[in-house]
Amino acid sequence: SQQGEEDPQALSIQEGENATMNCSYKTSINNLQWYRQNSGRGLVHLILIRSNEREKHSGRLRVTLDTSKKSSSLLITASRAADTASYFCAAPGDTPLVFGKGTRLSVIA
Amino acid sequence: EAQVTQNPRYLITVTGKKLTVTCSQNMNHEYMSWYRQDPGLGLRQIYYSMNVEVTDKGDVPEGYKVSRKEKRNFPLILESPSPNQTSLYFCASSYQDTDTQYFGPGTRLTVL
Repeated sequence: SQQGEEDPQALSIQEGENATMNCSYKTSINNLQWYRQNSGRGLVHLILIRSNEREKHSGRLRVTLDTSKKSSSLLITASRAADTASYFCAAPGDTPLVFGKGTRLSVIA
Repeated sequence: EAQVTQNPRYLITVTGKKLTVTCSQNMNHEYMSWYRQDPGLGLRQIYYSMNVEVTDKGDVPEGYKVSRKEKRNFPLILESPSPNQTSLYFCASSYQDTDTQYFGPGTRLTVL
């Protein structure tokens, strides 16, 4: 019942650069959610985009959703060292909300 | 303060000794779930509950039990823990299963 696969598995960038990570899913969805996890801590919700939305912004975050391709992307602009974390997507709908393995982002100062 | 609490936060135990990890939320959420997180495997769902007295298996339910007698509590029970259950465990809750999930701080369990 895997629903939400992040890509790439790991990403390393310099501070100030933009970071883009992707999420693919398999069945029809109600919405798509992105979360961040700092090492060993609980996941924290970042942004939710509904299935009838195509783009959403929150501060330095921009999320897009393409339901025809069953994919979403999360863009973090002007990254900071504090953005270093793992990022997960979840795409609830026909299947229960489950998470993928995440993208580990390292922002180097 | 709206939150999900888990106890204990850290636990070292031995094979076969029954244990319970508690989870409690104060947001009147109907949906609650348990995940385990292991290196390279991501978050895997153990059990979930759509409401009081309604529970269902997730992807990796073997060796675990849950109960949902009250809306706020969703304990995870390991009747006979084994070393392969050494992991980081998270409880989460939300109004409905498709809504934003609120996670607890995690319980790091080691079974010797």
